[in-house]
Amino acid sequence: GAGVSQSPSNKVTEKGKDVELRCDPISGHTALYWYRQRLGQGLEFLIYFQGNSAPDKSGLPSDRFSAERTGESVSTLTIQRTQQEDSAVYLCASSHNTEAFFGQGTRLTVV
Amino acid sequence: AQSVTQPDIHITVSEGASLELRCNYSYGATPYLFWYVQSPGQGLQLLLKYFSGDTLVQGIKGFEAEFKRSQSSFNLRKPSVHWSDAAEYFCAVVIPQAGNNRKLIWGLGTSLAVNP
Repeated sequence: GAGVSQSPSNKVTEKGKDVELRCDPISGHTALYWYRQRLGQGLEFLIYFQGNSAPDKSGLPSDRFSAERTGESVSTLTIQRTQQEDSAVYLCASSHNTEAFFGQGTRLTVV
Repeated sequence: AQSVTQPDIHITVSEGASLELRCNYSYGATPYLFWYVQSPGQGLQLLLKYFSGDTLVQGIKGFEAEFKRSQSSFNLRKPSVHWSDAAEYFCAVVIPQAGNNRKLIWGLGTSLAVNP
């Protein structure tokens, strides 16, 4: 596609439920990043995929968070047993070695 | 450790005044350098980037940035700020990793407020 696409754009979920967020990167981009941005805060790195290399999961805040990416295609970020502190905008970016292109994000609200 | 530092968390300037947002990085060589802007309720937009060559780079919206190797800095500047420049500004670097990989590292951002 023309840009990075994320879905859903908004998600409201009940505490304790699992959620799955999707990111469609720009075709041909080998790198994909997930970030979390709480209200008024900076970008919090979550996970980084680069081609077929093992992902860098060093930013995942707990074992409730996981992400997958098959090859250089779609990625999904899964949050299990959501908590209120998980409420944030989740941003995905893709890159082919240099600048990153961001999606519009998924705003997650845990009630 | 590789890192990006934006020393100023919040900056307030008057409309028409000049602006400089600081960015320092920690890396042994010269990375690729970027500035992004995030306006309220908007996504992240690339302002400008530096890969090599002329150390003063021009970007969109009248912004420029200067790479100074000796100071490991890439400060963002604008001669005259407009009210619409109020936003969050992020500095980022791309650093080579093992193999042919490259990793994007971000500063925490500087929030710019513009007084009329």
